[in-house]
Amino acid sequence: DGGITQSPKYLFRKEGQNVTLSCEQNLNHDAMYWYRQDPGQGLRLIYYSQIVNDFQKGDIAEGYSVSREKKESFPLTVTSAQKNPTAFYLCATTSPGRSYEQYFGPGTRLTVT
Amino acid sequence: SQKIEQNSEALNIQEGKTATLTCNYTNYSPAYLQWYRQDPGRGPVFLLLIRENEKEKRKERLKVTFDTTLKQSLFHITASQPADSATYLCAPSRDSGGGADGLTFGKGTHLIIQP
Repeated sequence: DGGITQSPKYLFRKEGQNVTLSCEQNLNHDAMYWYRQDPGQGLRLIYYSQIVNDFQKGDIAEGYSVSREKKESFPLTVTSAQKNPTAFYLCATTSPGRSYEQYFGPGTRLTVT
Repeated sequence: SQKIEQNSEALNIQEGKTATLTCNYTNYSPAYLQWYRQDPGRGPVFLLLIRENEKEKRKERLKVTFDTTLKQSLFHITASQPADSATYLCAPSRDSGGGADGLTFGKGTHLIIQP
């Protein structure tokens, strides 16, 4: 099956801890994205990467970090510097041949207490 | 700054009627505008994309219009069914290239189709 995997589905952490969210894809897409969604809010772009070993900040990158060492993987680390980390995190990919429509993973719901 | 507005309140439509959702944007000129469906606790699913030089796009019971003068897109579902109940997100591209730099999403409209 081709697709995007995000794990785990639910994640709980204590305040002050860093946590890494996984995103893996086997669609052979070059570009990958991380969005955050809060209740009643639209998706907001955190980071994106158009090729391996390169990534750019989105609108709300503060308190987050990413890496793109492999085409298939784009992990997101939520650091203790992120003031309000509790949210639904969505990973997406896009293929230029499809006019940049985005394919989303199932999401990870992170709760920090 | 770029701003996207969608109907903030839930939209209740009777089964069989046409549902019309609105997306207005300001302060930029996207080359593309996309519509997504999102069910609770899941990632959005792509539905339709319309380009700035297209007035209308159709797919089965779905129709999207794109008026770059009004800076507005309308999303129609004809012969609506309870299974169409979901949140619908509009997403103009952030850049003139169409979306390589990611999308800017509206907050979404929660559509409820009453049997």
